[in-house]
Amino acid sequence: NAGVTQTPKFQVLKTGQSMTLQCAQDMNHEYMSWYRQDPGMGLRLIHYSVGAGITDQGEVPNGYNVSRSTTEDFPLRLLSAAPSQTSVYFCASSSETGETDTQYFGPGTRLTVL
Amino acid sequence: RKEVEQDPGPFNVPEGATVAFNCTYSNSASQSFFWYRQDCRKEPKLLMSVYSSGNEDGRFTAQLNRASQYISLLIRDSKLSDSATYLCAVITGFSGGYNKLIFGAGTRLAVHP
Repeated sequence: NAGVTQTPKFQVLKTGQSMTLQCAQDMNHEYMSWYRQDPGMGLRLIHYSVGAGITDQGEVPNGYNVSRSTTEDFPLRLLSAAPSQTSVYFCASSSETGETDTQYFGPGTRLTVL
Repeated sequence: RKEVEQDPGPFNVPEGATVAFNCTYSNSASQSFFWYRQDCRKEPKLLMSVYSSGNEDGRFTAQLNRASQYISLLIRDSKLSDSATYLCAVITGFSGGYNKLIFGAGTRLAVHP
C-alpha cells in the first residue's frame, strides 16, 4: 500500500492563480481531511469528508473548495490564491473517526503564494 | 478561545529526564483524544490514543482528566530521538455536523546530551 499520497510536494503560485492539490489513499478509508499548518498555529482543519459525496467545512474553509467523487481521492482547490494561503497542506485519512482510529497523513504540499 | 490549547514550549531537557505536557480542550462533549508526534518538516504520526483509564506504552504514559478537560503526556527517561513536536488532538462532534479531529498548536521538545 502507498498509504496517503499528495501531489505536488512544492508549488509556487502568483496571487489570483488557481490550482488543485491532489490527495489519494489506497486503504479504502471513508474519512479524509485537509489541514494547513502555519508556524505557531498547529494543524487547522480546512475541509473534511466522511465518504464519497459527503463533505463538510472545518475550522478555516474560506478560499478552499473540495469534492469527493470517489473513496480514494479528495482534491483541494484554491480558486484564487492569496498570500495568506502560503502554508504547508496535509491530507489525512482514517477508516472512521473513532477512539481507536489512526489518522494517516500524507507527506504534505508546501505552497507559496507570491 | 481555541478548541485545543497547548504550551508551545520549547521544553529543553537533558537525556534521561522526565517531561510532561498538558493539553486542554474546551468542548466538554469531546469524545476521543490522541497524541501525535511530528518531526521537523514531516507529517504527523500517531503516538498514542488516550483512553479514559489512561494508557502506557513503554516510556510514554497518557492520561485523560475529563473533569478538568485536559490530557497529558509523560515521557520518562528521555532520549535524543524524542526531540520533536508533540501535538494533541481531540475528536469533537458539532451540532448539525460530523465528528472533527481538531489539533493543538503543538509542544516542542528538545532533548540534549
